[in-house]
Amino acid sequence: QTVVTQEPSFSVSPGGTVTLTCGLNSGSVSTNYYPSWYQQTPGQAPRTLIYSTNTRSSGVPGRFSGSILGNKAALTITGAQADDESDYYCVLYMGSGISVFGGGTKLTVL
Amino acid sequence: QLQLQESGPGLVKPSETLSLTCTVSGGSISSSSYYWGWIRQPPGKGLEWIGNIYYSGSTYYNPSLKSPVTISVDTSKNHFSLKLSSVTAADTAVYYCARHDYGDSYFDYWGQGTLVTVSS
Repeated sequence: QTVVTQEPSFSVSPGGTVTLTCGLNSGSVSTNYYPSWYQQTPGQAPRTLIYSTNTRSSGVPGRFSGSILGNKAALTITGAQADDESDYYCVLYMGSGISVFGGGTKLTVL
Repeated sequence: QLQLQESGPGLVKPSETLSLTCTVSGGSISSSSYYWGWIRQPPGKGLEWIGNIYYSGSTYYNPSLKSPVTISVDTSKNHFSLKLSSVTAADTAVYYCARHDYGDSYFDYWGQGTLVTVSS
């Protein structure tokens, strides 16, 4: 069974930089998995941040960037702000119409 | 601007069928560039992909789901639907519908979500 792994929680200071990662229980993440990233605050629907590894969705601030780091997909927030405190989910496309969500990372800004 | 809106009962009894509809406005569900999908989120937990449907009726489901799932599309009404059979308390969740971009393989528009509670 495919499991997409994310750090359960992370903390960053205001103005700091943080990198969240998205891996696979077996194998490496590459651009072929079309990694995408979503931000969710309590009680709200997810908001699309990044798709196809590193393309920012419309209206997403430039402090959010996506990449492949080693064998994982990564979401980097440069110059974190208080309202970046959210849950972040990655999704990998496995082919044959199948998408898998990671377990999510709870980001605290303090 | 594309909008998606979920609708359906907020309370379903155990062993019965959960039925939801997602109505799409501001765009056509018959576009060849997109799938249409369902995602759910149990209270306090993460997001789980349920399945996608193409306007032609081709379906793709999460193989890990325990309850039988059926997703259908009605292009004349510009909506698609979810049926989850023989539900249990574990199916209690906020259910989201979303549009899935076919080319870049990501969810670009989301509904606001609807809470469905499974309880007698």
